[in-house]
Amino acid sequence: SAVISQKPSRDICQRGTSLTIQCQVDSQVTMMFWYRQQPGQSLTLIATANQGSEATYESGFVIDKFPISRPNLTFSTLTVSNMSPEDSSIYLCSVGRGQAYEQYFGPGTRLTVT
Amino acid sequence: SQQGEEDPQALSIQEGENATMNCSYKTSINNLQWYRQNSGRGLVHLILIRSNEREKHSGRLRVTLDTSKKSSSLLITASRAADTASYFCATDAGTGRRALTFGSGTRLQVQP
Repeated sequence: SAVISQKPSRDICQRGTSLTIQCQVDSQVTMMFWYRQQPGQSLTLIATANQGSEATYESGFVIDKFPISRPNLTFSTLTVSNMSPEDSSIYLCSVGRGQAYEQYFGPGTRLTVT
Repeated sequence: SQQGEEDPQALSIQEGENATMNCSYKTSINNLQWYRQNSGRGLVHLILIRSNEREKHSGRLRVTLDTSKKSSSLLITASRAADTASYFCATDAGTGRRALTFGSGTRLQVQP
């Protein structure tokens, strides 16, 4: 398995501000993934973050709104910029492990935008 | 975009009964993974089944995979109140991308 921590665990933010979410993994990984889970919904991939290169964003997600950093092989950040109430969601990071590439998730960051 | 659907969307059973959840997907896969999520918290990895496997067991969990029908099922036997949670299937296409595509989820309620 993998030990993944996220900070903050939850936050309440005002419209128009930005929040940076941190994800720390217990050992080095090539790819880290960021997902969003809107209230009552399933998970949607935001982007894939590789160390040393720009993140790859999914359709509907753009770098200006969700800038990602990946400074080393155990850490990544996701920023939610210029927030609106529609950004209220749980944001989760994940990594893959093992030959079969089982994916493990952090505990999530619950964001509420007022 | 959502890979597929899960059914039922919600399931309510009594403790001791079995719970079966189904998952359908649309594209070829390398593996399929099942997760549990309690009350909007983090996802707990339950089981991974590879595309060349048909059935897998882990404790009270039994997962089947039918790649010809692009479907999978998760069976929880002798359910407990603590099994109350949302369950998601997720597929890994096995390309360089390796990100998961999630199903819509089943909300399971186990009545004590």
